[in-house]
Amino acid sequence: GENVEQHPSTLSVQEGDSAVIKCTYSDSASNYFPWYKQELGKGPQLIIDIRSNVGEKKDQRIAVTLNKTAKHFSLHITETQPEDSAVYFCAASIGTSYDKVIFGPGTSLSVIP
Amino acid sequence: DGGITQSPKYLFRKEGQNVTLSCEQNLNHDAMYWYRQDPGQGLRLIYYSQIVNDFQKGDIAEGYSVSREKKESFPLTVTSAQKNPTAFYLCASSPAGGWRQPQHFGDGTRLSIL
Repeated sequence: GENVEQHPSTLSVQEGDSAVIKCTYSDSASNYFPWYKQELGKGPQLIIDIRSNVGEKKDQRIAVTLNKTAKHFSLHITETQPEDSAVYFCAASIGTSYDKVIFGPGTSLSVIP
Repeated sequence: DGGITQSPKYLFRKEGQNVTLSCEQNLNHDAMYWYRQDPGQGLRLIYYSQIVNDFQKGDIAEGYSVSREKKESFPLTVTSAQKNPTAFYLCASSPAGGWRQPQHFGDGTRLSIL
């Protein structure tokens, strides 16, 4: 079946450095790719999303890139801050079902002050 | 403020007992979802509903049931048939035409077995 892989599972960076999280997906019909941030004890919050007609999208310190040929997409966080510490999930829409996405297993990001 | 409210925040279930998790949204969203989250894992879809009085099974529906009698409410019942119910349960909603629309999440209910 369809799946989304996500790497790394844990990531530690020094404050001010950049962090990159990579995801691959299996469904070639996927065309919507959201990223969520989940803080401890809270529900996930959307931080950025990208659709298949766009190769890159930026929002301040966050950017997402998409390579449809290779079926992978990445989250880039620049100038990391301690409040960026959280679990990040990527997701991909399922082509045959209009309202479903599949989530990756998550990346636990720690930003060290 | 608009949002999704899940209650209770913590819930304990005895053996053989059914328990119901509440999810209410005031975002006027048509679609609603229930996910299960286990430690170190992503979110797995239990049930989803695109409109009132209609819902579909997700990937792990066995041992769970839902209803969608009102647009703003989508309660989840964890039945005694669910043998491993300990998990963090998340409810979400999205606008009509949920495809390619971001989902908005509540802050979850943590269910444990007594």
